[in-house]
Amino acid sequence: KQEVTQIPAALSVPEGENLVLNCSFTDSAIYNLQWFRQDPGKGLTSLLLIQSSQREQTSGRLNASLDKSSGRSTLYIAASQPGDSATYLCAVYDTDKLIFGTGTRLQVFP
Amino acid sequence: DTAVSQTPKYLVTQMGNDKSIKCEQNLGHDTMYWYKQDSKKFLKIMFSYNNKELIINETVPNRFSPKSPDKAHLNLHINSLELGDSAVYFCASSQIKAQYFGPGTRLLVL
Repeated sequence: KQEVTQIPAALSVPEGENLVLNCSFTDSAIYNLQWFRQDPGKGLTSLLLIQSSQREQTSGRLNASLDKSSGRSTLYIAASQPGDSATYLCAVYDTDKLIFGTGTRLQVFP
Repeated sequence: DTAVSQTPKYLVTQMGNDKSIKCEQNLGHDTMYWYKQDSKKFLKIMFSYNNKELIINETVPNRFSPKSPDKAHLNLHINSLELGDSAVYFCASSQIKAQYFGPGTRLLVL
């Protein structure tokens, strides 16, 4: 049974820092991995999608990597800003559904 | 234009009532989903429909009945609401594994 874990659960950093959010999954047989952002009281916004054959994806200040063999993905956020404050969720596409991690709650203070 | 929309945004009701949540997507996707996000913010799939056909039912109580009148709509009807049904319910759609989420419906059962 696929399980997705995110570390750390919460992170508080000063503006301008580069940071890494971690996601691990127990079964490497995944189709893809998707990173989402959720603002308080809001829905989910898709940030990056990495296909199982890919190693990384980049969008602006965000870079996500995928290592299927070790069951890990990282989301790298460069030059963090207060507007990056949100909960970040990773989810793996397992056969026919997304299985979500528990999320990392990020706060970037000025 | 909203890609995945849900109504209502908020729903407050008494135990034992029956309620419905509606979802519509204008992305032309074949597959739609319902997810539940509990008080601990953990997201879990409930149902998935592909072209109006049920393909995933994640051991959800029979009080929950999804209905897909066409592939652009997936509604969720809940009978005999219980306190534990209080959560945020998200609708999503996908075409090639990447999922797009609606804004969520916040259900509170009193």
